[in-house]
Amino acid sequence: QPVLTQPPSASGTPGQRVTVSCSGAGSNIGRNAVNWYQQLPGTAPKLLISGSHQRPSGVPDRFSGSKSGTSASLAISGLQSEDEADYYCSAWDDGLNGWVFGGGTRLTVL
Amino acid sequence: EVQLVESGGGSVQPGGSLRLSCAASGFTFNSHWIHWVRQVPGKGLVWVSGINTDGSHTLYADSVKGRFTISRDNAKNMIYLQMNSLRAEDTAVYYCARGRFYFDYWGQGTLVTVSS
Repeated sequence: QPVLTQPPSASGTPGQRVTVSCSGAGSNIGRNAVNWYQQLPGTAPKLLISGSHQRPSGVPDRFSGSKSGTSASLAISGLQSEDEADYYCSAWDDGLNGWVFGGGTRLTVL
Repeated sequence: EVQLVESGGGSVQPGGSLRLSCAASGFTFNSHWIHWVRQVPGKGLVWVSGINTDGSHTLYADSVKGRFTISRDNAKNMIYLQMNSLRAEDTAVYYCARGRFYFDYWGQGTLVTVSS
C-alpha cells in the first residue's frame, strides 16, 4: 500500500478548478517538502511541482501546490483537456530513509 | 538537452538476475543523484533505489534491499541496477530519474518481466 494517500480519481469540466489531495504523516510530509508529478498516458512522469509549491520552468501557472501539516494539495485552475493524466505526490520519509509516493490520482476532464 | 535512456529490461525466470543500465547525457553527470523508480503497468510509482554523486552513498527500498545493487560509472555517465533473486512482484517498468530533492528528469523506462 502506498505510504501517501491520494484519492484514486478526480474530474472536472474545462475551465473549472480542481484539487488533488495528498495525506501523509509526520515522518514524510510533516517534515519534508512535497513534489508532484504528472504522468500523461503512455509517457514517463514529469515534475510538476517541487518544494511543495514551486513550479519548474515551463509548467503553466494554472498548476499550484500547497502544504499544511501532514497534508498537501495540488490545484489546477482553468482545466484543459490536455490536463487529463495521472498525478502523483511524493516526499522523503525520514523513518523509511527513502522516497515515498501516493497511489496516484487519475484526473478526467469531462 | 538532458537525456536519460534505460536499457537491459526483458523477461527472466523467478530467482534469476538482470542488470539495468541508464545512460545519461546533456548535463554534468557527476553532480547529480540518480534514482530508480518502478511502476507496475496500470499501477502507481514506487521508489526503488538511489545513489549519490560519487557513488559513496546508496539507498534502497526495503522490498529490494539485499537483492538489488545500484552503482554508477562517472567516467561513462552510466547508472546500473543489478537485480538478483528476482520475484514475480518485481515485474514493472523501471525508470531512472535525476535529482536529490525532487526528480526533475526521467527516462522513458524499460520493462522487466519476471515469470516462469
